[in-house]
Formats: sequence, C-alpha cells, structure tokens
Amino acid sequence: SAVISQKPSRDICQRGTSLTIQCQVDSQVTMMFWYRQQPGQSLTLIATANQGSEATYESGFVIDKFPISRPNLTFSTLTVSNMSPEDSSIYLCSVGTDLNEKLFFGSGTQLSVL
Amino acid sequence: QQQVKQSPQSLIVQKGGISIINCAYENTAFDYFPWYQQFPGKGPALLIAIRPDVSEKKEGRFTISFNKSAKQFSLHIMDSQPGDSATYFCAASKSYGGSQGNLIFGKGTKLSVKP
Repeated sequence: SAVISQKPSRDICQRGTSLTIQCQVDSQVTMMFWYRQQPGQSLTLIATANQGSEATYESGFVIDKFPISRPNLTFSTLTVSNMSPEDSSIYLCSVGTDLNEKLFFGSGTQLSVL
Repeated sequence: QQQVKQSPQSLIVQKGGISIINCAYENTAFDYFPWYQQFPGKGPALLIAIRPDVSEKKEGRFTISFNKSAKQFSLHIMDSQPGDSATYFCAASKSYGGSQGNLIFGKGTKLSVKP
C-alpha cells in the first residue's frame, strides 16, 4: 500500500487567486494522478503526472488552469489558477503501483472559492 | 461509451441486511472493475476489484458479481453494519502497464445502515 499526505486539507479562497496543493507519497511511484470530485458528484481524472515529463491532461482540463509539477518520484503539486466559484471541489491526489492494479488516494483538499 | 452508470443513488438498509449496488458499463474494452468506499472527509479506499475472467469475487462480507454478457457488475454487502455507512463508487478501466489511474467512476451510492 501507499500512504499519501495531501496539504492543505481544506481552504477558502477568493475569486481570481490561485492555490497550490501538495501531495507527498511515502514511497517512490512512477505515476501520480490528480482527480476532482465536485460536490455530491463522482471523481473525474484531471491529469496524469509522471516524473521527468510533462503532465498529460484529460479532455476539459488545460495546463494553464491546472499546472502540475512532478519534481521527483514521491512528490507532486497541482495548482488551481485564477479560481472561480465553479472550481469549488475536492481535489484528490492518487498513486498507482507498478506491480499491481491498486490505486490509492489521499484524503483530498476541500476547496471553496468565494 | 466511457460512462459507468451506478444505481441506486442512495440506499438505506437495516443492520444485518444485504446491501446491493449495481453498475453498468458500455465499453467492452474495460477489463478492470474496482469498488471504492469513501467516508466523509476521506479519500476513496479500494474495497474489492474484479476482472472479467471470473463471475464472482468474495472478500469477507463483500462480494462482486460480474455479468460480462450484460456488461453489469454489482457489489453485495452481507450482514450490513452501521460502520459500512459510506459512499460507494464503482469504476472501470482498460488496464495498461499495470497502473489503473484512468478509472471511470460511477456517480456513487450513499449507503446508510440503520441500527
């Protein structure tokens, strides 16, 4: 299994500002993923972050809005830029393991944009 | 074709009863079907998963039933307990390289088990 620490756990932000969410894993992993969970909704993959390469974004998500860094095999950040109330969601970091199919999630960052 | 449809949206079960949550998919390329359990304020946690080469998988009180021809799978929670009260998500993906990041999730079922 993998232990994932996400910071901050929650934040309230003003419209037009940016927030950077940090994700730390207790072991080295090749692939890290960022998901969004809108209120009362399901989880949607934002992007896949591999160390040493550009993040791959899913349809509907762009790098200018959600820039991602992956400086090493245990850490990643997701920035939510120029926020609007529609960005109010839970943002979840997750990691997959190379040797099996399990996907592990952090506790998430509850973001509210006023 | 990428959707996973989950029902019911919410479910109330008496303690000791059986909770049943259903999911249906369209993409026949999907070959990995996990269920996740999420408590308030926590991230989803993998509960149990199945591949299409078996029709049923059981782990403790949790069982996945899989019907490949109907493209449906379901989660059964036997002897449901109040501690099982959570939101359950089904998901599906095409496995690649052993990593399951690109999961397509259902909309979730909020289960409440009454004492």
